[in-house]
Amino acid sequence: GNSVTQMEGPVTLSEEAFLTINCTYTATGYPSLFWYVQYPGEGLQLLLKATKADDKGSNKGFEATYRKETTSFHLEKGSVQVSDSAVYFCALLPTGGGNKLTFGTGTQLKVEL
Amino acid sequence: EPEVTQTPSHQVTQMGQEVILRCVPISNHLYFYWYRQILGQKVEFLVSFYNNEISEKSEIFDDQFSVERPDGSNFTLKIRSTKLEDSAMYFCASSEGRNSPLHFGNGTRLTVT
Repeated sequence: GNSVTQMEGPVTLSEEAFLTINCTYTATGYPSLFWYVQYPGEGLQLLLKATKADDKGSNKGFEATYRKETTSFHLEKGSVQVSDSAVYFCALLPTGGGNKLTFGTGTQLKVEL
Repeated sequence: EPEVTQTPSHQVTQMGQEVILRCVPISNHLYFYWYRQILGQKVEFLVSFYNNEISEKSEIFDDQFSVERPDGSNFTLKIRSTKLEDSAMYFCASSEGRNSPLHFGNGTRLTVT
């Protein structure tokens, strides 16, 4: 079946540090890949997505590249801010799968001054 | 920006009781979903709903669960006889189309004692 594995948190960084949150997936075919973010007290928000191999999704300074050869979709940001503190979820949507997303467990990011 | 709203934000109930979780999807959206996250575990798909009927459901969504769109604005999840293991954060989501991005609510934390 389909599955998503993300690095465990919490990840604690100083402001302006480089961020990487690892995500790998298992799926047949060519799934679409997503990163969702949940800020404290809020719902899940779509952060970025990529729908085919080698696509790079980007938003708010975050990037992730769809790597089919390593089945990965790692989230990166060059310089994090305190306001980036949130829980980040990697997710996949199987080929032709409507909106039945498969999520990872989420990675909590804490950014300190 | 329009958003999905869920009520209540936290519900405590005794084992065996019925609970109804309420959601108001974005008004022009046609597809509705429930997901849940047991503490420390993955966000899991429960059910999708379109055109007044269930379009897909997971193995978690057994006979104890039901969904309804009782009027033009609400979308509800009912758990008929709650169990301890139903304790989780329940997220409602909606989308404009089958392959459109999901918009999530802030979630309802259900605690079964």
